[in-house]
Amino acid sequence: GDSVTQMEGPVTLSEEAFLTINCTYTATGYPSLFWYVQYPGEGLQLLLKATKADDKGSNKGFEATYRKETTSFHLEKGSVQVSDSAVYFCALSSSNTGKLIFGQGTTLQVKP
Amino acid sequence: GAVVSQHPSRVICKSGTSVKIECRSLDFQATTMFWYRQFPKQSLMLMATSNEGSKATYEQGVEKDKFLINHASLTLSTLTVTSAHPEDSSFYICSASLDMESSPLHFGNGTRLTVT
Repeated sequence: GDSVTQMEGPVTLSEEAFLTINCTYTATGYPSLFWYVQYPGEGLQLLLKATKADDKGSNKGFEATYRKETTSFHLEKGSVQVSDSAVYFCALSSSNTGKLIFGQGTTLQVKP
Repeated sequence: GAVVSQHPSRVICKSGTSVKIECRSLDFQATTMFWYRQFPKQSLMLMATSNEGSKATYEQGVEKDKFLINHASLTLSTLTVTSAHPEDSSFYICSASLDMESSPLHFGNGTRLTVT
């Protein structure tokens, strides 16, 4: 079945460092891909998405490119802030039912 | 933007009692809502798909008699954990979809259930 695999955390960075969180997927067909962020004690917020190959999603300085050839959707940010500390989830949706399949989440800790 | 409200945010109950969690779409009509469960430091697992006016569709391994879902209107879905036990303690999150063609982009803030 469809699945999403993320790099294990926690990822600890200093402020203004470059961030990469790897995400790869397995799916039949052509899924839509998402990154969600979960701040402590809160629900999930959509960070960015891409619906077809080579699309780049971007928001708040974060970017991810839908790479069909490598089945990847890695999250990047050029300069992280302390306020970016959160859990990041990669997810896919491969049908019109609206169901999302999530990766295991990666905790990001940014230190001043 | 669209907002999904989930209530309560935290609940503590005794083993054997039932707990109801509400999920409301505040500024749009949600024909479909989804209920997820999140264990500590783990990912979200889809429990069931709630469809307005019809029975919920449960994922494999989820007990439908234990986790009762009702989607009585286009803005409200409820999840009732019946005869709760300590192993039901978890973080429950709902999400709402505008229509069947779009992925659920709007999540509630979740409910932390603790069963003592």
